[in-house]
Amino acid sequence: EAGVAQSPRYKIIEKRQSVAFWCNPISGHATLYWYQQILGQGPKLLIQFQNNGVVDDSQLPKDRFSAERLKGVDSTLKIQPAKLEDSAVYLCASSLVRVPYEQYFGPGTRLTVT
Amino acid sequence: QKEVEQNSGPLSVPEGAIASLNCTYSDRGSQSFFWYRQYSGKSPELIMSIYSNGDKEDGRFTAQLNKASQYVSLLIRDSQPSDSATYLCAVVTGTYKYIFGTGTRLKVLA
Repeated sequence: EAGVAQSPRYKIIEKRQSVAFWCNPISGHATLYWYQQILGQGPKLLIQFQNNGVVDDSQLPKDRFSAERLKGVDSTLKIQPAKLEDSAVYLCASSLVRVPYEQYFGPGTRLTVT
Repeated sequence: QKEVEQNSGPLSVPEGAIASLNCTYSDRGSQSFFWYRQYSGKSPELIMSIYSNGDKEDGRFTAQLNKASQYVSLLIRDSQPSDSATYLCAVVTGTYKYIFGTGTRLKVLA
């Protein structure tokens, strides 16, 4: 079974530029999560989708971050414009919609904003 | 009070000893509990899940859940240097929110 795919793996941009990340979940997983993980901290949920609907985006900085999951499968997360404090690893995870809710993570995208 | 709390460590144990990692949570309606391991520079990987009170064993790992006291723990028996990593506790709350703790860094000394 293929795991969660993410691209790119690394990205370096200057502040005020835009960037987009892509995620393809495990086949059959209706729930998709985007997390931001700053060095030394636990993952912070940015947005949770169930199929193509948003379940929770309470911690997404909506003035600069956006995400979509148009066909209920893969998803993109965009930052525009980027700030220095956006430097982090962006993790995508997926799970079944029902118990056991076990999440499986992709390799992540390491973003550096200079 | 944080929704999911863990001691950040580092927790240092000698090789072969038992490592005990603890996590407390605030939402009494929480229903599912997980332990993830994260090596430096890697993504979290699921190592244990537990849903009912008591112990659940899987190889050298034992997860313990006490809903009345709102804590979940992870025991690692016969700790190996390869177990050195950050261990993240995660909780699915009563409103189906998935919350991670900040993680406990474990160092197993050879």
